[in-house]
Amino acid sequence: EAQVTQNPRYLITVTGKKLTVTCSQNMNHEYMSWYRQDPGLGLRQIYYSMNVEVTDKGDVPEGYKVSRKEKRNFPLILESPSPNQTSLYFCASSLTSGRYLGETQYFGPGTRLLVL
Amino acid sequence: GESVGLHLPTLSVQEGDNSIINCAYSNSASDYFIWYKQESGKGPQFIIDIRSNMDKRQGQRVTVLLNKTVKHLSLQIAATQPGDSAVYFCAGRSGTGNQFYFGTGTSLTVIP
Repeated sequence: EAQVTQNPRYLITVTGKKLTVTCSQNMNHEYMSWYRQDPGLGLRQIYYSMNVEVTDKGDVPEGYKVSRKEKRNFPLILESPSPNQTSLYFCASSLTSGRYLGETQYFGPGTRLLVL
Repeated sequence: GESVGLHLPTLSVQEGDNSIINCAYSNSASDYFIWYKQESGKGPQFIIDIRSNMDKRQGQRVTVLLNKTVKHLSLQIAATQPGDSAVYFCAGRSGTGNQFYFGTGTSLTVIP
C-alpha cells in the first residue's frame, strides 16, 4: 500500500529540547516536503527536497532543519523547539514536484506537536 | 511574498446540488495548481491539478477552472454528496522554483 508514515503522531515537549519527527515513504518518490498547519494560516511549507541530498527552504524554515540522506526518508529536526513551533506537521511526497499532470502528492497522517 | 487564498471560509450546499469553491493567487508566474480535500483528523488528499497553460480540467465529478487574467481558479463538485464534506485547499507552485503555497481553506458542509 502506498503511504507516507510519520512518527510520532503526538508529542509534548519542553522549550529547548531537541526533537526529530521522522517521515518515510514507500513509493520511490523524488519530491518530499514538510508543512505546518495552523488555524487561520492554512498549510505553510517548511522545507522541501527534490531528491537525495537536495533540500531547499520553503516559506517558513526558521527553527527547522532537514536532511535527505536516503530517498525514502526525510526527517524534520527542531534543534531548540520554542512554543511558537506548536503546530500540526505534515510530511508529503510525490513522484516529482509536478512534472506530470495528475501526479498525486501523498500526505502523511500528521504529527501534533506541543512545545511548553 | 506569494500568496494563495480562498474566497469563503465556509460553504453549505444541499445534497445533490453543485458546489463551487473559489481561490485567488497573487503570483502570475505560478505555473501549476492543485486542489486538495482534508477530512477531519486526516492529511490533505489530492483531488485534481491543472497547469497554467490550461483553462479547464475535469475529473470524476470535479472540474477545475483557471482564469489567468484575473488569477483565479475554482473547483466545481457535481452532485455534491455528504462524503464531500471537508475542508478544501488550493495550492500553487511558485513559478521560480518548486515551492508550494496553500490557501487557508474553505469548509464545505453538505446538508442531507
